[in-house]
Amino acid sequence: AQSVTQPDIHITVSEGASLELRCNYSYGATPYLFWYVQSPGQGLQLLLKYFSGDTLVQGIKGFEAEFKRSQSSFNLRKPSVHWSDAAEYFCAVAPRGGNKLVFGAGTILRVKS
Amino acid sequence: EPEVTQTPSHQVTQMGQEVILRCVPISNHLYFYWYRQILGQKVEFLVSFYNNEISEKSEIFDDQFSVERPDGSNFTLKIRSTKLEDSAMYFCASSEVSTMNTGELFFGEGSRLTVL
Repeated sequence: AQSVTQPDIHITVSEGASLELRCNYSYGATPYLFWYVQSPGQGLQLLLKYFSGDTLVQGIKGFEAEFKRSQSSFNLRKPSVHWSDAAEYFCAVAPRGGNKLVFGAGTILRVKS
Repeated sequence: EPEVTQTPSHQVTQMGQEVILRCVPISNHLYFYWYRQILGQKVEFLVSFYNNEISEKSEIFDDQFSVERPDGSNFTLKIRSTKLEDSAMYFCASSEVSTMNTGELFFGEGSRLTVL
């Protein structure tokens, strides 16, 4: 069955520490891949996206993500987390040939000072 | 920077009442979407709309739901007779081209619907 999995519901990191949020997908063909962030009371903001080409993509706010076809993963990373990064992060896919985004369950990031 | 705007930000209604959620997509965008997020659950696709008609809808989008582009700027979601389980955050989104053609979706800040 087609699915998007974010295995971590909550993650807590210290300010200044590195961050990696995991995302795995299960689709017949590699879909288009996205990471969105949702701050409390806010809408969904696109951090970055992968369509093709270079498997390491850079996004806004210092985030990057790496597409690994062999692992069906698209993990989000940031070398040094800031307190303002506390939010919920959603991995999403758009199946090629489809017309909608399918979201993972989200990972809530807490940043401790 | 152009943005998608949604009104109201929060609406409380009684079960069985009709609700209309409004969205103003980005002006040059052609594709429009509604998603919803029940508290604590995933963001779910409801419907996509292009060229004044529904292009795709999910199984959630039953006969109680309808969408309309009543004029050149607004895109509305109507829930005909609300149920308790319709309580959720509803997100409007728009894109210049469809996600099938690698269109990036721009989301509004959401309308929280509470059904009592």
